[in-house]
Amino acid sequence: AQRVTQPEKLLSVFKGAPVELKCNYSYSGSPELFWYVQYSRQRLQLLLRHISRESIKGFTADLNKGETSFHLKKPFAQEEDSAMYYCALNAGGTSYGKLTFGQGTILTVHP
Amino acid sequence: DGGITQSPKYLFRKEGQNVTLSCEQNLNHDAMYWYRQDPGQGLRLIYYSQIVNDFQKGDIAEGYSVSREKKESFPLTVTSAQKNPTAFYLCASSAPGTNKAYEQYFGPGTRLTVT
Repeated sequence: AQRVTQPEKLLSVFKGAPVELKCNYSYSGSPELFWYVQYSRQRLQLLLRHISRESIKGFTADLNKGETSFHLKKPFAQEEDSAMYYCALNAGGTSYGKLTFGQGTILTVHP
Repeated sequence: DGGITQSPKYLFRKEGQNVTLSCEQNLNHDAMYWYRQDPGQGLRLIYYSQIVNDFQKGDIAEGYSVSREKKESFPLTVTSAQKNPTAFYLCASSAPGTNKAYEQYFGPGTRLTVT
């Protein structure tokens, strides 16, 4: 069975500081990894996926299969980045589309 | 702000009563999902359906039931057998088999309080 672990429930940084939200996964196959974000009073939405290797709102995430990690990084945090962030894994196959989510990390960016 | 809707936003029930949460989508998505969101536990999958008239249990299906009679609708019933029903419930949909199969679209959620 697959599992996603986000070790930090809360993360606080100051505006302009670098931020890294950790995500580790366990899965025997070749997973697809995603980051979802939930801003205050907004719906949970997709932030980025590892396959696209794109930068969204300044965030990037690299899949490290050796360390089974998919950490989310931003070099200079902004106050509007404050939100709940979830790492998610898609095991594929007949479960394609079904996601396993981590516990979530609440990021607070202080002015 | 259409796409996927959930109603009501807040729901209060007495212990021992069954309650049904509504989820409707107009995205023409085949797959729909129900999650429960608890502080510190993230999102946990209750049930999911990949096609009309078919659904599978997720990780925490005990005490819940669903139906999928129409593509647009995936109601969730929280039964009296669910030991800790007070939670925030999220519905989502996706389009498996497409190039956007990986992206789930979420509703605004229903907060259920059982006393």
